[in-house]
Amino acid sequence: EDKVVQSPLSLVVHEGDTVTLNCSYEVTNFRSLLWYKQEKKAPTFLFMLTSSGIEKKSGRLSSILDKKELFSILNITATQTGDSAVYLCALDSNYQLIWGAGTKLIIKP
Amino acid sequence: GAVVSQHPSWVICKSGTSVKIECRSLDFQATTMFWYRQFPKQSLMLMATSNEGSKATYEQGVEKDKFLINHASLTLSTLTVTSAHPEDSSFYICSARTGGGNIQYFGAGTRLSVL
Repeated sequence: EDKVVQSPLSLVVHEGDTVTLNCSYEVTNFRSLLWYKQEKKAPTFLFMLTSSGIEKKSGRLSSILDKKELFSILNITATQTGDSAVYLCALDSNYQLIWGAGTKLIIKP
Repeated sequence: GAVVSQHPSWVICKSGTSVKIECRSLDFQATTMFWYRQFPKQSLMLMATSNEGSKATYEQGVEKDKFLINHASLTLSTLTVTSAHPEDSSFYICSARTGGGNIQYFGAGTRLSVL
């Protein structure tokens, strides 16, 4: 059965800290892995990863995929209060997204 | 680019009435649109997948006669919650994807409250 597991479920850090969010998966037909950020409304797209070892970067956020060990990480450096959100990992398998439960990240000032 | 507009953002209705939610891709053609439901503090739950011009594919446990989906054009899909009841109160989110694309772009969501 395809599944996506995110850890931790919840994380509280102080502004300026660096955080690493994890996403492990099992899937029969891997097309891509996507990261989304969800604040109060619908998810906004962050990254799409298809190949192992290639880091995607956008400002203070970066992500990398390991297709051998079946996981991805999302890094946020120099966190700010605006980074507080639920971060969702999703696997594209057969053109449908399989969602993880999300990591709730809280950044304290 | 890749903007998805969802309307309305919040609706309150009486039990027994029907509610229509619209999802539009504003700057791209969406061959496939998805409808999700999200309960508080939970992840997204896929309700149905709709391809333009064909019938929607519903996930197990989702009543197709209750949640009517129409995807009549490449830029518009609608979800109608028929005879809504309080247990249908939830956050409904649509997403859209271009043909062959991997990325789903989401609308802002619709919060439905049924009294």
